[in-house]
Amino acid sequence: AQSVSQHNHHVILSEAASLELGCNYSYGGTVNLFWYVQYPGQHLQLLLKYFSGDPLVKGIKGFEAEFIKSKFSFNLRKPSVQWSDTAEYFCAVDERDTGRRALTFGSGTRLQVQP
Amino acid sequence: DAGVTQSPTHLIKTRGQQVTLRCSPKSGHDTVSWYQQALGQGPQFIFQYYEEEERQRGNFPDRFSGHQFPNYSSELNVNALLLGDSALYLCASSYRNTRYQETQYFGPGTRLLVL
Repeated sequence: AQSVSQHNHHVILSEAASLELGCNYSYGGTVNLFWYVQYPGQHLQLLLKYFSGDPLVKGIKGFEAEFIKSKFSFNLRKPSVQWSDTAEYFCAVDERDTGRRALTFGSGTRLQVQP
Repeated sequence: DAGVTQSPTHLIKTRGQQVTLRCSPKSGHDTVSWYQQALGQGPQFIFQYYEEEERQRGNFPDRFSGHQFPNYSSELNVNALLLGDSALYLCASSYRNTRYQETQYFGPGTRLLVL
C-alpha cells in the first residue's frame, strides 16, 4: 500500500527563519501531490498542489513546493516564516494512474514559530 | 459560496451504539470522501461516494457504511461503536473529472468520543 512519510514531526523556528518540511511517498507510478495546512482551531485547508508540468509549484501565503520524481519527494518551503504560520502541515498523495482518488496522508508536521 | 459543511460538530456515544454523521459538499462538487483522523495522526481514507455509489474504500471494517443522496450530500454510519472509533471524522468534496486531477476540500469535521 502507498505510504507517505513526513520525517519532521515537530519543528520550532524563529520568525524570519527559512522553512523546509520533508515529504516522501512510496508509490512508483504517476501521482498528484498536495500540501494541506491546519491552523489552530481551523479545518484542513489546501496550501498548494501539483498535478503536472513545472515541478516547482507556488501556493498561498508565500509557500512553494518542489516535486523531485527521482527522489519520490515533494518538500514544502518558505523563505521567511511568520508567527501566523504556526500550524500543522500535512502532505498528501493520490495515485493518478490507477484512478484511485483516495488521498494518503503523512502523519503531519507541527510547526511552531516563535516571535 | 459555502464550503463543505458537517454536522454535528461534536458527539459523545457509548460502546455498542450507532452513529450517523452528515456532510454537505461545496457547491458544484459531486464527489464526497470520508476520512478518520485519530489524535496526532494524519487523516485516513474511509471511502468515497460518487453518483450515489461507493466507488473506493479504504481499510475499514463493514461497521463503517455510507450513503450519498441525489443532492450530493452524504452520511457516514458507524455501527457497534468501539472505543477506538473515537476520532475526528472529516468529509471532503471534489468535482470528478476524467483527467484524474481533482482537489479535495475539507470540512471542519465531527469529533466523536466513544465512552
